[in-house]
Amino acid sequence: DTEVTQTPKHLVMGMTNKKSLKCEQHMGHRAMYWYKQKAKKPPELMFVYSYEKLSINESVPSRFSPECPNSSLLNLHLHALQPEDSALYLCASSQDPLGTAADTQYFGPGTRLTVL
Amino acid sequence: GDSVTQMEGPVTLSEEAFLTINCTYTATGYPSLFWYVQYPGEGLQLLLKATKADDKGSNKGFEATYRKETTSFHLEKGSVQVSDSAVYFCALSDGNNQGGKLIFGQGTELSVKP
Repeated sequence: DTEVTQTPKHLVMGMTNKKSLKCEQHMGHRAMYWYKQKAKKPPELMFVYSYEKLSINESVPSRFSPECPNSSLLNLHLHALQPEDSALYLCASSQDPLGTAADTQYFGPGTRLTVL
Repeated sequence: GDSVTQMEGPVTLSEEAFLTINCTYTATGYPSLFWYVQYPGEGLQLLLKATKADDKGSNKGFEATYRKETTSFHLEKGSVQVSDSAVYFCALSDGNNQGGKLIFGQGTELSVKP
């Protein structure tokens, strides 16, 4: 089983709202990732968690706040977003938190976020 | 730095045509290479991978061979179907970045007509 689940599937929020995206995997993977994807573009890495600790933050604005409560769950808290933050947000997980070359990332279906 | 270059799309083929999507890479170490597919409105799915030179990855009729001498990982399928219409991303992981950062190509959109 290589399933990563994400909720909600769609989210519409205003610029003053606070919302959260949720990601879950039960493959025993110890690395989890958040990506942002604009239409017809490749995913852009936002954050990496290794062993539930934040290991990479790709200079993401503070209005995006990640959280890894345990090894199976990854959240992305959203606050005071801008319309340009509208995108597909993808979660991924992989087995090896040290990121060896052969490590394979498995992606969830994504949350399509619209900021009004 | 590491990079991946894919042929530009969109690529439009008739059903049962032969497919090639070119992918070349630049990397300093010994990367692993991946093809991901994204169907409309969905996330990325791993299609196939190869972890060392001369490895061939294959899945669902798609194949790609890791060619170190030409730094390429071209995706091929002998007979495409309408259901193969999607965006295809070539990617590499060189293992030099802790956290396993994937470097993606720009993606190639494939449209298969009946």
